[in-house]
Amino acid sequence: GAVVSQHPSRVICKSGTSVKIECRSLDFQATTMFWYRQFPKQSLMLMATSNEGSKATYEQGVEKDKFLINHASLTLSTLTVTSAHPEDSSFYICSIKGGVGNSPLHFGNGTRLTVT
Amino acid sequence: QQQVKQSPQSLIVQKGGISIINCAYENTAFDYFPWYQQFPGKGPALLIAIRPDVSEKKEGRFTISFNKSAKQFSLHIMDSQPGDSATYFCAATTGGGNKLTFGTGTQLKVEL
Repeated sequence: GAVVSQHPSRVICKSGTSVKIECRSLDFQATTMFWYRQFPKQSLMLMATSNEGSKATYEQGVEKDKFLINHASLTLSTLTVTSAHPEDSSFYICSIKGGVGNSPLHFGNGTRLTVT
Repeated sequence: QQQVKQSPQSLIVQKGGISIINCAYENTAFDYFPWYQQFPGKGPALLIAIRPDVSEKKEGRFTISFNKSAKQFSLHIMDSQPGDSATYFCAATTGGGNKLTFGTGTQLKVEL
């Protein structure tokens, strides 16, 4: 069954508004969750690592003030795209680790964001 | 050095044939190599994974071959089926699998 639940699956918003995406760990207490971004027909790029109870770690080139991450509990991380612009339109996917050591990452089904 | 190169970009295979996707890496610190399958509009799903102390791993119709000295690994899909049509990503990570570096993806189409 699903290990990661991501919501919403699709969202359309107007330029300048903010959008919140939720990622829930269903089977594990996830102290760490990861947020990826994927453009059409391209690979996944890690945006940030979400740490429960502390600040997220952002990858180089990712604007932390634009992509706000909150990881308030062991089962929920949220990504808020603030003041969205059309270039933010993309497929956003969260993932969690399935355990310790070299355990696999489980991915959510992604959120298709379209900014008009 | 963190890059994982994947080829081919796209692949068409006849039903029942063997699909082969190749990946190469530079970072010798990578110690875990998963393959993911992604259908349109969905997140990637783990298919099979290997560690560098093993040269081959087989799960059903899916086999990973790993060549540590050449820093290459490949995915073989035996008896390919139309339902295997998807995008496949190789990936690599170090020290516990926290950060995955993905290959560029291969779009596989299995024709009847």
